[in-house]
Amino acid sequence: SQKIEQNSEALNIQEGKTATLTCNYTNYSPAYLQWYRQDPGRGPVFLLLIRENEKEKRKERLKVTFDTTLKQSLFHITASQPADSATYLCALGEDYGNNRLAFGKGNQVVVIP
Amino acid sequence: ETGVTQSPTHLIKTRGQQVTLRCSSQSGHNTVSWYQQALGQGPQFIFQYYREEENGRGNFPPRFSGLQFPNYSSELNVNALELDDSALYLCASSSGLAGAQETQYFGPGTRLLVL
Repeated sequence: SQKIEQNSEALNIQEGKTATLTCNYTNYSPAYLQWYRQDPGRGPVFLLLIRENEKEKRKERLKVTFDTTLKQSLFHITASQPADSATYLCALGEDYGNNRLAFGKGNQVVVIP
Repeated sequence: ETGVTQSPTHLIKTRGQQVTLRCSSQSGHNTVSWYQQALGQGPQFIFQYYREEENGRGNFPPRFSGLQFPNYSSELNVNALELDDSALYLCASSSGLAGAQETQYFGPGTRLLVL
């Protein structure tokens, strides 16, 4: 069956350190992968997109890697700040011409001042 | 804020009732997707509308139906509500279908509780 797995345990991290989140998938052939941030009671907010032929993408303090052999994406927040505390969702898209997304459950990050 | 609005923000219904949720997409966007997010889970794709036509559906029964209007706003209708329909319902709008190019903008969601 198809699965998108993110760590169910919250990641507690000291301010200024790098937070690293993992997204593993099974029985998907993603054309692209996206990461979203979701705050309690709010809708997800798009952060980054990486395509299947790309290894790494960066945006300000965020970095995403995508390894289609390992079927894994890593999401890094460098120099983390308390304002980065949120749940982060990975989402897969299997068709370039379709923006239907399959989401993981999300991974909560808590940045401790 | 994304410019995507949803109404109502919260709703309580009883089993067997019907509900209509509304979404106003961001200006210039012709594509709306609906997702269901149960507590502690990621969003699950319900269906998508592109220029007033359904363009893809997830694994949801026919009692979940939708509409998109000429102004590209959208409705999600759920008939014969079940307890498991309790969730946050999210709509997302984009300016096209190309997921690798088009960012989707999510609304704040409607929290539905079925008793």
